[in-house]
Amino acid sequence: DGGITQSPKYLFRKEGQNVTLSCEQNLNHDAMYWYRQDPGQGLRLIYYSQIVNDFQKGDIAEGYSVSREKKESFPLTVTSAQKNPTAFYLCASSRTGANTGELFFGEGSRLTVL
Amino acid sequence: QQQVKQSPQSLIVQKGGISIINCAYENTAFDYFPWYQQFPGKGPALLIAIRPDVSEKKEGRFTISFNKSAKQFSLHIMDSQPGDSATYFCAASRYSTLTFGKGTMLLVSP
Repeated sequence: DGGITQSPKYLFRKEGQNVTLSCEQNLNHDAMYWYRQDPGQGLRLIYYSQIVNDFQKGDIAEGYSVSREKKESFPLTVTSAQKNPTAFYLCASSRTGANTGELFFGEGSRLTVL
Repeated sequence: QQQVKQSPQSLIVQKGGISIINCAYENTAFDYFPWYQQFPGKGPALLIAIRPDVSEKKEGRFTISFNKSAKQFSLHIMDSQPGDSATYFCAASRYSTLTFGKGTMLLVSP
């Protein structure tokens, strides 16, 4: 089945540790996105990539990093510089730009910093 | 600066009633306005979308009304069902990214 796979679904981290969230898609989509979801805050864009080896900062990129070495993969690293990393992280992809069609979301990764 | 304002934050509707969620945007360059539905523990999924050259779009029980001059758009859910209980997000887009509202938690009581 085509779709987006995020892993792990749940992750616990100690303060000061970096953690990488995986996002893989087999939809052959060019564009991929990372959003952060907090209760009552909606979805806020962290990073996005429209093509391999290129990515752009979103609204809340500080403390995060990404790479796009393959079309299918767009991992997100939450670094120790992120002051409040506990959140629900959503990866998405779209065939082209977000204004031309649907974003397909994964089921999310919930990160808890202890 | 919040570019897409969504209201209400939460909504309780009786089964069979009409659910109405409103959004307002600031950037007149936005050219695509989707609504997403999210169930607990899942990612959002596209429900319905509209472009600004159309004032209304209907798909089954779901209708988007769009008022370009007022920079507002709304989602109407007719004959609301308990299975519609979810969080709904409006969004607006130009070029590559979507800007989301903060969401509305809808509960449809049996």
